[in-house]
Amino acid sequence: NAGVTQTPKFQVLKTGQSMTLQCAQDMNHNSMYWYRQDPGMGLRLIYYSASEGTTDKGEVPNGYNVSRLNKREFSLRLESAAPSQTSVYFCASSEGAGGPYEQFFGPGTRLTVL
Amino acid sequence: AQSVAQPEDQVNVAEGNPLTVKCTYSVSGNPYLFWYVQYPNRGLQFLLKYITGDNLVKGSYGFEAEFNKSQTSFHLKKPSALVSDSALYFCAVRDVIFGNEKLTFGTGTRLTIIP
Repeated sequence: NAGVTQTPKFQVLKTGQSMTLQCAQDMNHNSMYWYRQDPGMGLRLIYYSASEGTTDKGEVPNGYNVSRLNKREFSLRLESAAPSQTSVYFCASSEGAGGPYEQFFGPGTRLTVL
Repeated sequence: AQSVAQPEDQVNVAEGNPLTVKCTYSVSGNPYLFWYVQYPNRGLQFLLKYITGDNLVKGSYGFEAEFNKSQTSFHLKKPSALVSDSALYFCAVRDVIFGNEKLTFGTGTRLTIIP
């Protein structure tokens, strides 16, 4: 099992460009999450999907959109990138409701916006 | 809202000595607490969790955590540190919003084991 995979690993964008970060899990998990990690701030939740067909805002959703494409895949889109979105992005998944269940994390995408 | 605090940004320990990484929590209701580790350029890995029962929870790589309700703490411990334990450690607390499960993370503690 690959667990949680993310593409790309690295990306450099110019201000105003758009891009989509891809995430997939092969553990048949119901819930999926997108976080950003910034120095001294820990991990902050951007969006999450409790189950296929649902998405909800987290702590820092502004400037992002998400799509839960199916049970396996959860993508994060930056429509018009800004330097403040320079960060490391992590996708995670868990079994979902009825927990508490641990979350399993992908390897991350390091994004730089110039 | 549920929250956790990690009061130390950096902890240095000599190899072979016991280590402690501190975490305090603030919750309404029963606390469900987690520890994760992040090695350089990697995602977070689950170490252990506290749900209920025994206040000493054992986890991966020889780590354990002590739950203390009166001090609202959940400190991570290991009896004898290894250089390979050097990493970034995160404490987290489970939160449930409209029936949906989330984790809220602390800001992290960088642990350095000195040979």
